[in-house]
Amino acid sequence: AQTVTQSQPEMSVQEAETVTLSCTYDTSESDYYLFWYKQPPSRQMILVIRQEAYKQQNATENRFSVNFQKAAKSFSLKISDSQLGDAAMYFCAYRNYGGSQGNLIFGKGTKLSVKP
Amino acid sequence: DAGVTQSPTHLIKTRGQQVTLRCSPKSGHDTVSWYQQALGQGPQFIFQYYEEEERQRGNFPDRFSGHQFPNYSSELNVNALLLGDSALYLCASSLGPLSSYEQYFGPGTRLTVT
Repeated sequence: AQTVTQSQPEMSVQEAETVTLSCTYDTSESDYYLFWYKQPPSRQMILVIRQEAYKQQNATENRFSVNFQKAAKSFSLKISDSQLGDAAMYFCAYRNYGGSQGNLIFGKGTKLSVKP
Repeated sequence: DAGVTQSPTHLIKTRGQQVTLRCSPKSGHDTVSWYQQALGQGPQFIFQYYEEEERQRGNFPDRFSGHQFPNYSSELNVNALLLGDSALYLCASSLGPLSSYEQYFGPGTRLTVT
């Protein structure tokens, strides 16, 4: 069975600085998707960024980028120029590729605080 | 464009009771998945509905059941509530059940069992 591990329960960053959130996963599959979701106090899970395992290029979405190391099964999220609105729980998630194995396996999350 | 909506927002029930939670998918979506998020944990997959049938199920007992209606909305039913069922229940919708399709989440229903 696949597992996702987030080893940092809490992280803190100064506004305008850069922070990196860590995620490792375990799978025997070669094709899969990886995601970072943000969950603010409003509770709604928002997709931040997505990475397909078959793509070597790291995904980027504005101030958010990932460092995907397939051999090491590592998928970290870098937030540049942190803003107060980035404060939230961040969840790393895995999903198998293909067929109907379409549902997400989440880590326990990292709580990010942004200091003004 | 209406996103995923869930009702009610909060709910308090007593042990042994039954509860029904509701979800309306994002406009154009036909697949609904339900997740349970206990306090301090990541969401855990309960089941997925597509074409009014349960297509996939996570490791949850039969006390958890669901339904999908012709308009793609869905219900999650939990019977014989336990204290451990207290959690945030999230609904997610997608266009189709396959792994290539993105899931969009609703704001959740906070269930408290006393």
